Amino acid sequence: DTGVSQDPRHKITKRGQNVTFRCDPISEHNRLYWYRQTLGQGPEFLTYFQNEAQLEKSRLLSDRFSAERPKGSFSTLEIQRTEQGDSAMYLCASHFTEGTANYGYTFGSGTRLTVV
Amino acid sequence: AQKITQTQPGMFVQEKEAVTLDCTYDTSDQSYGLFWYKQPSSGEMIFLIYQGSYDEQNATEGRYSLNFQKARKSANLVISASQLGDSAMYFCAMRELRDDKIIFGKGTRLHILP
Repeated sequence: DTGVSQDPRHKITKRGQNVTFRCDPISEHNRLYWYRQTLGQGPEFLTYFQNEAQLEKSRLLSDRFSAERPKGSFSTLEIQRTEQGDSAMYLCASHFTEGTANYGYTFGSGTRLTVV
Repeated sequence: AQKITQTQPGMFVQEKEAVTLDCTYDTSDQSYGLFWYKQPSSGEMIFLIYQGSYDEQNATEGRYSLNFQKARKSANLVISASQLGDSAMYFCAMRELRDDKIIFGKGTRLHILP
């Protein structure tokens, strides 16, 4: 494991199309987070998983967004009927709990989505 | 209300000088953690340093140190002997330990001048 991997790095899509992003966390990390970052802003929390269970979803995550982590390993984030406002960097992070907050959260390089 | 405030949208610093990036936070919790991340133009978020609310010593990691002033709710990042490669966005973040996610400030863009 060299870190958190995200695929694709860049995605350009037409408005109204569906897109799906993938995140492969560090294998021993049991928590996986999705963040969205728009230009000039800090990352905003979207949702997170502990193993395969989705434990929290932000109000930012509209009904068009769905995230899964079916086997507690990789995760997917799907956006249906994309809108121009969905254009952003989507960041994935993973973390191992049990009092290890001081190790920080390891982020991937992100998927940059452009909706045209 | 914003939980993390970074008041410096941008900073220009001469190479080899020390730089302080400001961060204040808002929480009513006693247990929390503070983080600094660096984001170069490639987009990756790179973890720099962590300070726990009960840590009595300021955290240090190489050229990075965190000036933690609990009473002022301040967690400034100090970079000593800045280098050209330090040019990036810097984000302050906090995790309240009753919560399970970290929240970020809006960031400071640091430019190191040769």
